[in-house]
Amino acid sequence: DGGITQSPKYLFRKEGQNVTLSCEQNLNHDAMYWYRQDPGQGLRLIYYSQIVNDFQKGDIAEGYSVSREKKESFPLTVTSAQKNPTAFYLCAARADYSNQPQHFGDGTRLSIL
Amino acid sequence: KQEVTQIPAALSVPEGENLVLNCSFTDSAIYNLQWFRQDPGKGLTSLLLIQSSQREQTSGRLNASLDKSSGRSTLYIAASQPGDSATYLCAVSKNTGTASKLTFGTGTRLQVTL
Repeated sequence: DGGITQSPKYLFRKEGQNVTLSCEQNLNHDAMYWYRQDPGQGLRLIYYSQIVNDFQKGDIAEGYSVSREKKESFPLTVTSAQKNPTAFYLCAARADYSNQPQHFGDGTRLSIL
Repeated sequence: KQEVTQIPAALSVPEGENLVLNCSFTDSAIYNLQWFRQDPGKGLTSLLLIQSSQREQTSGRLNASLDKSSGRSTLYIAASQPGDSATYLCAVSKNTGTASKLTFGTGTRLQVTL
């Protein structure tokens, strides 16, 4: 099936630990996005990438890092500098032509041990 | 800074009712507006996308309208079913090249009862 696969579904982080969330897509979309969702708040953009080897900070990039070495992959690392990482993380992708919707994966729920 | 508001935050209706969900945004300079559905613990499913030059879009029992000048959109659901129970989110984009970043509302949680 064509789509976006996020793994793992649940992830636990210890204090001082970096963790990496995986996002893979087989839609051949150029643009990819990472969002954070907290209860009672809308989705907030962490990072986005328009093309391989290029990415831009979103509204809440502090404490996060990304890479885009391949078109189909856009992993997100939650570093120890992110003091409140507990949230639901969503990855999305969008085709590279105007007025196309973003398509989302099923998310990763990150919690602190 | 764009702000997106959705009212009501939660809504419960009996099966078969027609209903309207509201979305308002503060900056009318948008490129498009999207409505999404989110089931508990899941990602978002795109329902409808309205371009800034359009007034409405329809898909099955769903109809979304857009009044860009007043900063408002509505999602109309006809003949609601229990399977429609979910959180509905609207999001607006201000195009920045191909990235088309979205600003989301906080959603309306819909429950359709038997």
